[in-house]
Amino acid sequence: RKEVEQDPGPFNVPEGATVAFNCTYSNSASQSFFWYRQDCRKEPKLLMSVYSSGNEDGRFTAQLNRASQYISLLIRDSKLSDSATYLCVVRYGGATNKLIFGTGTLLAVQP
Amino acid sequence: DAMVIQNPRYQVTQFGKPVTLSCSQTLNHNVMYWYQQKSSQAPKLLFHYYDKDFNNEADTPDNFQSRRPNTSFCFLDIRSPGLGDAAMYLCATSRVGDRGYQETQYFGPGTRLLVL
Repeated sequence: RKEVEQDPGPFNVPEGATVAFNCTYSNSASQSFFWYRQDCRKEPKLLMSVYSSGNEDGRFTAQLNRASQYISLLIRDSKLSDSATYLCVVRYGGATNKLIFGTGTLLAVQP
Repeated sequence: DAMVIQNPRYQVTQFGKPVTLSCSQTLNHNVMYWYQQKSSQAPKLLFHYYDKDFNNEADTPDNFQSRRPNTSFCFLDIRSPGLGDAAMYLCATSRVGDRGYQETQYFGPGTRLLVL
């Protein structure tokens, strides 16, 4: 079983739509959670951190359910520029402090 | 201004010919990472330096080595590239505080390696 699992998509949605991505992680000792965005042939860039209380940044809302080991990202009012791969990322604590990436979910927003 | 710089952006090498990829940073971060990302796959951590301490991932092949001569620079050496080593190689940096708290990782633009 992969440490971080995501639906690879693609999710094809029209402009203005609301779209949700889900992610599950296997290691209950995971301490921090993130969504990264990666454009084609570019590096990953931090979109937002994910907190248990849920957090919102403009059109983006992230949720974490530690009991279910589940993370979500909601994008409202999709823009063409939101088209990218969204990577679910988990960080372990302790001495390693390394990031574990999901394979990403591809979003294509269409006019 | 670029904070994590990788050179070259594209590298073509021949099967078995050693190649070195470089990464530099202007953030003065104490941790530097090398990831390998193949098409449609997740970035996979190869190793990282915490200051001068080298930390290899258990499944990183011996063919991959790294050097960090100073805080700002880190190199990835592939001793004998195979066709399966063609990938995007991403360098990232972060700061880990005294209590082990790790800040955000910043990625460089990557070097795309092609092995002929």
